[in-house]
Amino acid sequence: GENVEQHPSTLSVQEGDSAVIKCTYSDSASNYFPWYKQELGKRPQLIIDIRSNVGEKKDQRIAVTLNKTAKHFSLHITETQPEDSAVYFCAASGSSASKIIFGSGTRLSIRP
Amino acid sequence: DAGVIQSPRHEVTEMGQEVTLRCKPISGHNSLFWYRQTMMRGLELLIYFNNNVPIDDSGMPEDRFSAKMPNASFSTLKIQPSEPRDSAVYFCASSSGGAKQPQHFGDGTRLSIL
Repeated sequence: GENVEQHPSTLSVQEGDSAVIKCTYSDSASNYFPWYKQELGKRPQLIIDIRSNVGEKKDQRIAVTLNKTAKHFSLHITETQPEDSAVYFCAASGSSASKIIFGSGTRLSIRP
Repeated sequence: DAGVIQSPRHEVTEMGQEVTLRCKPISGHNSLFWYRQTMMRGLELLIYFNNNVPIDDSGMPEDRFSAKMPNASFSTLKIQPSEPRDSAVYFCASSSGGAKQPQHFGDGTRLSIL
């Protein structure tokens, strides 16, 4: 089955700097890669997703890149702000239509 | 628009008691997912329904766990008998077309088994 590894587990960046979170997946059949943000005590919320037919997708300060050959994808947050502090989860679909497999999460802290 | 609605938000009960968690998906969504979140194991899929039919229950830990979806607007997750290791946050999520469409999560039920 699919296995998703996420790095780093914690990340601290200065406000205004960029943050990058990386994930690798094992199942070459994976074709859907969402990213979720979870603030403390809250529900996971989808912030961006990418499908395997594109290599990059942007939404304002957030971008995701996908390298299908290397089986890794990354989340890029530019001009970080205090409200970006949260746990971020990547996920990959695998070959199953019924589940996505989540990474272990990255706790992002923005230093003022 | 109302999102995914879960109840109760918090549940504290003693070991051995039956626990029932409830979920109302977003109207029009035909896929429903139950997840469990713990520090040790992260976010785990327990069961997935499509059009009210259980499609994948491979994540259900053991026979003490059961889930039903009697209609398109309601699902339950039951634990009987409950054990302390079942303590976790349980999330329900729904989507408009399986796991490869954006999943919208409810606010979760924080379950504590004493």
